[in-house]
Amino acid sequence: DTEVTQTPKHLVMGMTNKKSLKCEQHMGHRAMYWYKQKAKKPPELMFVYSYEKLSINESVPSRFSPECPNSSLLNLHLHALQPEDSALYLCASSQDLDGAFFGQGTRLTVV
Amino acid sequence: LAKTTQPISMDSYEGQEVNITCSHNNIATNDYITWYQQFPSQGPRFIIQGYKTKVTNEVASLFIPADRKSSTLSLPRVSLSDTAVYYCLVGDTPGTASKLTFGTGTRLQVTL
Repeated sequence: DTEVTQTPKHLVMGMTNKKSLKCEQHMGHRAMYWYKQKAKKPPELMFVYSYEKLSINESVPSRFSPECPNSSLLNLHLHALQPEDSALYLCASSQDLDGAFFGQGTRLTVV
Repeated sequence: LAKTTQPISMDSYEGQEVNITCSHNNIATNDYITWYQQFPSQGPRFIIQGYKTKVTNEVASLFIPADRKSSTLSLPRVSLSDTAVYYCLVGDTPGTASKLTFGTGTRLQVTL
């Protein structure tokens, strides 16, 4: 299994809602990442987890809250988002010299 | 982190070889060079990674000169399906929780 699975594929949420994005990998990778990508822009790094501990937070607003419950799962909890947070949210994992594996992303729309 | 510079866009005809060059003047001794491909509304896909000289796999070749201040991704005989954005990344200790920071990327358009 060389996949990173993200759910849901699409999400529409109101500014007062609380929702979560989920990412799962079964490749035994110990590094996992969250990225945000706006249209026609490169992915922007948000968080990096190493061995289930948060190692990098790229000054992301607290309305985005990551969680790594175990070595296979990565969540991104969303609360009180703004319309400008609408984007494609990408999860990735990596372990060795094969590069990072990315999921297909969750297309988030905040209304 | 080493900053990367790539051409914003390139055009090619189907069947031609395409070379995309990435400049990374302040690359560090421990840094590797990695290329990704991304189609619209999909996650980036790893293409190739190298440290020095030449690396080749089933889809591409990566040429890195001795000074490592640049690298060239070579795609042999492109097809329409190679139309995508190609990103060059430079970072250390691949596979660990290092910063994978994307540059602006090169938008490749392949036509008949």
